Amino acid sequence: NAGVTQTPKFRILKIGQSMTLQCTQDMNHNYMYWYRQDPGMGLKLIYYSVGAGITDKGEVPNGYNVSRSTTEDFPLRLELAAPSQTSVYFCASWGDRSYGYTFGSGTRLTVV
Amino acid sequence: DAKTTQPPSMDCAEGRAANLPCNHSTISGNEYVYWYRQIHSQGPQYIIHGLKNNETNEMASLIITEDRKSSTLILPHATLRDTAVYYCIVRVASGAQKLVFGQGTRLTINP
Repeated sequence: NAGVTQTPKFRILKIGQSMTLQCTQDMNHNYMYWYRQDPGMGLKLIYYSVGAGITDKGEVPNGYNVSRSTTEDFPLRLELAAPSQTSVYFCASWGDRSYGYTFGSGTRLTVV
Repeated sequence: DAKTTQPPSMDCAEGRAANLPCNHSTISGNEYVYWYRQIHSQGPQYIIHGLKNNETNEMASLIITEDRKSSTLILPHATLRDTAVYYCIVRVASGAQKLVFGQGTRLTINP
């Protein structure tokens, strides 16, 4: 039981490039989330999903897109990367029988 | 979801009990109190949650006041590995459970 797996762990992007942050969970959780955390700050919700085929915006969705074609996977797409997107990105999941969210180990992204 | 207020930082000696307070004076009757912690740059880790009764698990104890306007997370015998940022979050336990993180309390355990 791997929990929530995020790839890559680190990435450097140039301004204007695009990339997809991968997130997969093996706990059959319906709910999945993407957060970003800037240095010294708390986590901010980017997008979330309540099940396959259903996604919704969080607090800071601009510059990002998501899809949820399966229960297991919830990729986050960055189009036209900007320096303001330099952050650590965390994916999380929650299921009806869970006590709390399970978080991945994060992806540290730098846009230069 | 109700907002919470936590002290920005606290210190505790190793081996002592660490008591982390949280105020949530606008909590609604159906909102739970959740505690998470984040060690260095790792993903947050769930610790404990409760509605109105005190709760205890292998990690910590949660004491909620009778009026539910505040709570205290207790780490009974703090170790250096408990140094982390601790987040107190209140929210309903239904629907799309969106956790809203504040600034938390940075707890430093000193040897």
